[in-house]
Amino acid sequence: DAGVTQSPTHLIKTRGQHVTLRCSPISGHKSVSWYQQVLGQGPQFIFQYYEKEERGRGNFPDRFSARQFPNYSSELNVNALLLGDSALYLCASSSGTVNYGYTFGSGTRLTVV
Amino acid sequence: QKEVEQNSGPLSVPEGAIASLNCTYSDRGSQSFFWYRQYSGKSPELIMFIYSNGDKEDGRFTAQLNKASQYVSLLIRDSQPSDSATYLCAVNTSGGSYIPTFGRGTSLIVHP
Repeated sequence: DAGVTQSPTHLIKTRGQHVTLRCSPISGHKSVSWYQQVLGQGPQFIFQYYEKEERGRGNFPDRFSARQFPNYSSELNVNALLLGDSALYLCASSSGTVNYGYTFGSGTRLTVV
Repeated sequence: QKEVEQNSGPLSVPEGAIASLNCTYSDRGSQSFFWYRQYSGKSPELIMFIYSNGDKEDGRFTAQLNKASQYVSLLIRDSQPSDSATYLCAVNTSGGSYIPTFGRGTSLIVHP
């Protein structure tokens, strides 16, 4: 079985642009969570979706948005990019009904210049 | 603000020793606790989870939970250089949340 798939793996964008990151969870998992991790820090929660509904939102500005599709894949969108948005963006897959922890994708490294 | 605190380290131990990694949390109602390992440049990988007070062992790893002291730890026995990584503590807070809060991680270095 495929693990959690994220695309792209690396991305360079200019300030003010927008970006779309994609994630496909493990087959059978209905929950996708997005985290931002800057160097030297732990992952910071951005969004969680379960069964296409938003189940939680972290302390991020409205420039960040996400959605989950009927096949449980997900997109994270970030508008009006700032230099401070440069980070590793992690997608985490879970069943959503039992709490056995996350399986993370390999992440998308976003650099804003 | 629900917080998860970890010493950033680095914690340096010789090969074969026991590495002890610690984590404290602020929400007394927290219900589930996780340890992730993250190699440099890679994504976190789940090592263990623990829900009940006491010890839980899995191979060379032991998670210890003390809810009264709001403290969770990870012991790594017979540490190997391949254990060198950052170890992230994550805590699901009260209210049945499936959204864990992560600590900043502790860097572990196992030297030969």
